[in-house]
Amino acid sequence: DAKTTQPPSMDCAEGRAANLPCNHSTISGNEYVYWYRQIHSQGPQYIIHGLKNNETNEMASLIITEDRKSSTLILPHATLRDTAVYYCIVRVAGVNYGGSQGNLIFGKGTKLSVKP
Amino acid sequence: DGGITQSPKYLFRKEGQNVTLSCEQNLNHDAMYWYRQDPGQGLRLIYYSQIVNDFQKGDIAEGYSVSREKKESFPLTVTSAQKNPTAFYLCASKLGAEGTETQYFGPGTRLLVL
Repeated sequence: DAKTTQPPSMDCAEGRAANLPCNHSTISGNEYVYWYRQIHSQGPQYIIHGLKNNETNEMASLIITEDRKSSTLILPHATLRDTAVYYCIVRVAGVNYGGSQGNLIFGKGTKLSVKP
Repeated sequence: DGGITQSPKYLFRKEGQNVTLSCEQNLNHDAMYWYRQDPGQGLRLIYYSQIVNDFQKGDIAEGYSVSREKKESFPLTVTSAQKNPTAFYLCASKLGAEGTETQYFGPGTRLLVL
């Protein structure tokens, strides 16, 4: 598995954009970048994923560098409810029956604190 | 509403006792997972099941057991062999073999040892 490196914590002012970086320098060509977040004492929530192209949905945007060795999750207008731990995960898509390729590996993530 | 549910929210275990955590989903997902989370740490995989009547050990399966008799249900038993069971337990499900790794998580069960 490609490993990811994220800063342990970040602060962001309410209403401003939150830019969360992730390094994945050993990512393979068939590995996607996934982002999840976990609000305190709740289950993780899927945010977005991408392979090569930048992606955007109603929650966030994902910017992947051309060499795919790093990415940035952007929350365009952070609110207090966005305070959470954000996990960057790289994984091959699809399941290898009988193997563990389809499983997600969660590290410690980045604790984002949105402040008023 | 479609979703994944876990019960109970809090569970207390006495020394030497087996306890079972419930996980149910009505998303028609094939794959289901159990994770353990300790304070300040990421998630670690205990067991997973990609299809009914089949399941595989994850990274920390010792002291745990599971069953997958129905597509909707994937209960986890924490046995007395698990010496440090106090943790936050999370269940997740995923549509199937094809497509992305988008897993949907339940709200979690917090297990405490008395």
